[in-house]
Amino acid sequence: GQNIDQPTEMTATEGAIVQINCTYQTSGFNGLFWYQQHAGEAPTFLSYNVLDGLEEKGRFSSFLSRSKGYSYLLLKELQMKDSASYLCAGPAVYGNNRLAFGKGNQVVVIP
Amino acid sequence: IAGITQAPTSQILAAGRRMTLRCTQDMRHNAMYWYRQDLGLGLRLIHYSNTAGTTGKGEVPDGYSVSRANTDDFPLTLASAVPSQTSVYFCASSTSSYNEQFFGPGTRLTVL
Repeated sequence: GQNIDQPTEMTATEGAIVQINCTYQTSGFNGLFWYQQHAGEAPTFLSYNVLDGLEEKGRFSSFLSRSKGYSYLLLKELQMKDSASYLCAGPAVYGNNRLAFGKGNQVVVIP
Repeated sequence: IAGITQAPTSQILAAGRRMTLRCTQDMRHNAMYWYRQDLGLGLRLIHYSNTAGTTGKGEVPDGYSVSRANTDDFPLTLASAVPSQTSVYFCASSTSSYNEQFFGPGTRLTVL
């Protein structure tokens, strides 16, 4: 089932900051992943959080709160090439130590 | 280094036909996965394999079968295709379950 929740779409201008939120079930938690997917392409790995707090990787940062079952991806200094869908992935409700992906949040960057 | 490859890139198939989607990785990853991605539904796991010789059912396994005879290959078979199986299919692999997954380029399948 779809136990990973994400909002669907947002538009932002070049140079701006956007935050993409994700909530997940907390049972069977082994970490939270973020992936980027450009239109017509495969998802590619961005980040992995297993402990609470903020992990920074250049212009992209990811935050995790295990007690709240909540994560966000922060995109700073937006560039046109950041236009993509951003997927979070966490523990699947059907268990078996499987990842379930959210439906993705489409970010459109405009000049 | 190829990473993970899929074939064919795209296919149009008549309903009722049998079809095998191929997936090969050269990273010696233990775990492999098949997903389908549909508009509005996101990525959904069809089948997975934690290691060569084992397979398991994901969220949407009906109508699909897989085999894992060796580490590198993980084919997905549609025994008798139906139009609802029209989708983009992604194969992925990881060193072990619940690790970073590497995705193949995808197969766009249309069943008429």
